[in-house]
Amino acid sequence: QSVLTQPPSVSAAPGQKVTISCSGSSSNVGNNYVSWYQQLPGTAPKLLIYENNKRPSGIPDRFSGSKSGTSATLGITGLQTGDEADYYCGTWDSSLRAYVFGTGTKVTVL
Amino acid sequence: QITLKESGPTLVKPTQILTLTCTFSGFSLSTSGVGVGWIRQPPGKALEWLALIYWDDDKSYSPSLKSRLTITKDTSKNQVVLTMTNMDPVDTATYYCAHRDIAVGGFAFDIWGQGTMVTVSS
Repeated sequence: QSVLTQPPSVSAAPGQKVTISCSGSSSNVGNNYVSWYQQLPGTAPKLLIYENNKRPSGIPDRFSGSKSGTSATLGITGLQTGDEADYYCGTWDSSLRAYVFGTGTKVTVL
Repeated sequence: QITLKESGPTLVKPTQILTLTCTFSGFSLSTSGVGVGWIRQPPGKALEWLALIYWDDDKSYSPSLKSRLTITKDTSKNQVVLTMTNMDPVDTATYYCAHRDIAVGGFAFDIWGQGTMVTVSS
């Protein structure tokens, strides 16, 4: 019942690129900054992208974020086996007055 | 270095009250712009935000769970406590606390605890 929709899964071969979409509305993605989180198997989520496209210290530039209208996108280039994880978008929803997460996307490296 | 760690019961019975404590270090909840939030994740499911408390004691709750949640802070102990009433098996999840700093920009939880698994069963 999340208000942010992501594809359930994406996959690509090592070295390739994947993109993950996060679709929302004007009350969330459209008018607020989007963050992205990476959750490796059995671990806590980790902040990957904040303010739509900024990377915290230590996050490689293979990870990038963008936003257009009510959709945001996470890109991962030079895919590595260590990138296999679940990825979530998140943002504040001004109508709900709540922080909302996306439905999550599982990235598989073929 | 900022760290957070969740603690509480691993098993609660239906209708009972759950009390979780987040003990943190590396920052103060009396510093302007700082907050601590709670997020949960049922097994195999997505993340769900629950509540957030700020340095100035401003609080916000998930609309769907607001009637069952209370978040408080003890600045002297570097702790944030979340209570959830009337627990149900659907509340079985890993519960995380996470740090938020307005200065980071946007709205992001930049540091997370390791999480604590709570099972609701009779």
